[in-house]
Amino acid sequence: GNSVTQMEGPVTLSEEAFLTINCTYTATGYPSLFWYVQYPGEGLQLLLKATKADDKGSNKGFEATYRKETTSFHLEKGSVQVSDSAVYFCALSDSKGGSGGFKTIFGAGTRLFVKA
Amino acid sequence: GAVVSQHPSWVICKSGTSVKIECRSLDFQATTMFWYRQFPKQSLMLMATSNEGSKATYEQGVEKDKFLINHASLTLSTLTVTSAHPEDSSFYICSARPAGQVNQPQHFGDGTRLSIL
Repeated sequence: GNSVTQMEGPVTLSEEAFLTINCTYTATGYPSLFWYVQYPGEGLQLLLKATKADDKGSNKGFEATYRKETTSFHLEKGSVQVSDSAVYFCALSDSKGGSGGFKTIFGAGTRLFVKA
Repeated sequence: GAVVSQHPSWVICKSGTSVKIECRSLDFQATTMFWYRQFPKQSLMLMATSNEGSKATYEQGVEKDKFLINHASLTLSTLTVTSAHPEDSSFYICSARPAGQVNQPQHFGDGTRLSIL
């Protein structure tokens, strides 16, 4: 079945360092891909999305490109801040969601710590 | 943007109590809502898909009689944890997608932390 694999954390970086969180997926068809962020004690917020191959999603300095040839959707940011400390989830929209239509499949999450 | 409100945000109750969690889409209609459970430092586990006007679709291994879902209107779904026990303690998160936008991102509530003593 469809699945999402993302790099294990935690990832610890110093402020202003470059961030990459790897994400690869397995899917039939053409899923939409998403990155969600979860701050401590909160629900998930959509960070960015891409709906077709070669699309680049971007928001708040984060970006990710939908790479169909490598089935990847790596998250990057050029200069992280302490406020970026959170858990990041890669996800895909599964077209085989049964009676619920399209359901979202999440990766395991990657915890990011940014030190001042 | 689309907002999903989840209530309550925190519940502490005694073992054997039933607890109801509400999920509301505030500025859009949602024919489908999703209920997730998240254990500490783990990913979200989809429990069930809530369908307005019909029965919920439960994921494998989720007890239907334990986790009752009702989606009575296009803006409200409820999850009732019946006869809760300490092992039901967890973070429960709902999400919703605007009707007709089947391949668009879900909008999440802020979650409900359930602690059973």
